[in-house]
Amino acid sequence: NAGVTQTPKFRILKIGQSMTLQCTQDMNHNYMYWYRQDPGMGLKLIYYSVGAGITDKGEVPNGYNVSRSTTEDFPLRLELAAPSQTSVYFCASSYLRRGNTGELFFGEGSRLTVL
Amino acid sequence: KQEVTQIPAALSVPEGENLVLNCSFTDSAIYNLQWFRQDPGKGLTSLLLIQSSQREQTSGRLNASLDKSSGRSTLYIAASQPGDSATYLCAVKIGETSYDKVIFGPGTSLSVIP
Repeated sequence: NAGVTQTPKFRILKIGQSMTLQCTQDMNHNYMYWYRQDPGMGLKLIYYSVGAGITDKGEVPNGYNVSRSTTEDFPLRLELAAPSQTSVYFCASSYLRRGNTGELFFGEGSRLTVL
Repeated sequence: KQEVTQIPAALSVPEGENLVLNCSFTDSAIYNLQWFRQDPGKGLTSLLLIQSSQREQTSGRLNASLDKSSGRSTLYIAASQPGDSATYLCAVKIGETSYDKVIFGPGTSLSVIP
């Protein structure tokens, strides 16, 4: 039972560099999400997807991009890394249909530091 | 605007005590409420999910209750153990298909002292 898998677990970037955080889930969930967690700030939604080929912005999308070419994968791209993007990033998924609970399942997180 | 708060921010108890963690939300029109556990450096693990039509859910030593009218949920942990030490977060989902409307509380950091 892999669930939600994120890579890498840790990464250090220089200002202006780009990178992609990978996320894959094997539960056939239709919804996938990217959150960032900053100390004392709780979790903030960056982007989400309701299914393959469909993505939309969350609360804090600036500086990020996503794609959803398959049901399983939902990568998050940082184009020009800035110190403000230093955070812990979590990918999550859920199965949302009428009458379903929509329980959220999380990956273990990716800790990103931008210097 | 829905806001979710958790009090206290941190709690330290001796092993064996029963304890209650609190979660408050400002808008009672919720779809469900989910309790998570987060260990240091780890992701969030789902503990219990309560649908809006339910009053409580139980799993082992954990019992979560929901009172929508007062905007409160409690997580009761019986006979606490050092392994229960973690941060506990609650999250409120607004609407059945409102994919972006999951509001997280800031969490309560629990330490169980042997």
